[in-house]
Amino acid sequence: GDSVTQMEGPVTLSEEACLTINCTYTATGYPSLFWYVQYPGEGLQLLLKATKADDKGSNKGFEATYRKETTSFHLEKGSVQVSDSAVYFCALSGGSNYKLTFGKGTLLTVNP
Amino acid sequence: DAGITQSPRHKVTETGTPVTLRCHQTENHRYMYWYRQDPGHGLRLIHYSYGVKDTDKGEVSDGYSVSRSKTEDFLLTLESATSSQTSVYFCAISESDSNYGYTFGSGTRLTVV
Repeated sequence: GDSVTQMEGPVTLSEEACLTINCTYTATGYPSLFWYVQYPGEGLQLLLKATKADDKGSNKGFEATYRKETTSFHLEKGSVQVSDSAVYFCALSGGSNYKLTFGKGTLLTVNP
Repeated sequence: DAGITQSPRHKVTETGTPVTLRCHQTENHRYMYWYRQDPGHGLRLIHYSYGVKDTDKGEVSDGYSVSRSKTEDFLLTLESATSSQTSVYFCAISESDSNYGYTFGSGTRLTVV
């Protein structure tokens, strides 16, 4: 079945540091890929998405590129801020039932 | 923001009692989902619905049932709550094409004592 593997956290960075959170997937067919963010005490929010190979999703300075050859969708940001502290989830959608499969999440803490 | 609300936001209940969580949407989206979130497990799908009275099981459905009698409401019932069902429960909705992703509710924190 479909699965998503993302790097385990927690990840702790200083403000303005570069961020990469790795995500790889296993799926049949051609899934859509997503990154969600969860701020403390809140639900998940869609951060960015890509629906086909080589697509780049971007939002709020975050980027991720759908790499079919390496089955990856790594999340990157060039300069993180304290307000980026949150849990980040990689997810994929495939098949006809529109279900999302999530990774286990990566906690990011950014210190001033 | 998409109109999706969960109630209650917090609940403490005793082992063996029935509990119902409600998810209400105003977006007229066809698909609705219940997930639970636990440390070390991420989000796991409990049940989902693809239309009124059309539901199916997810990966962790044991001990849970659902009902959807109207497009806007999706109820999750714990027939006899156990401590292992202490968790944060999230409802999500999606349009007909999952390429749009989901919109999540704010969650219900359930504690079974």
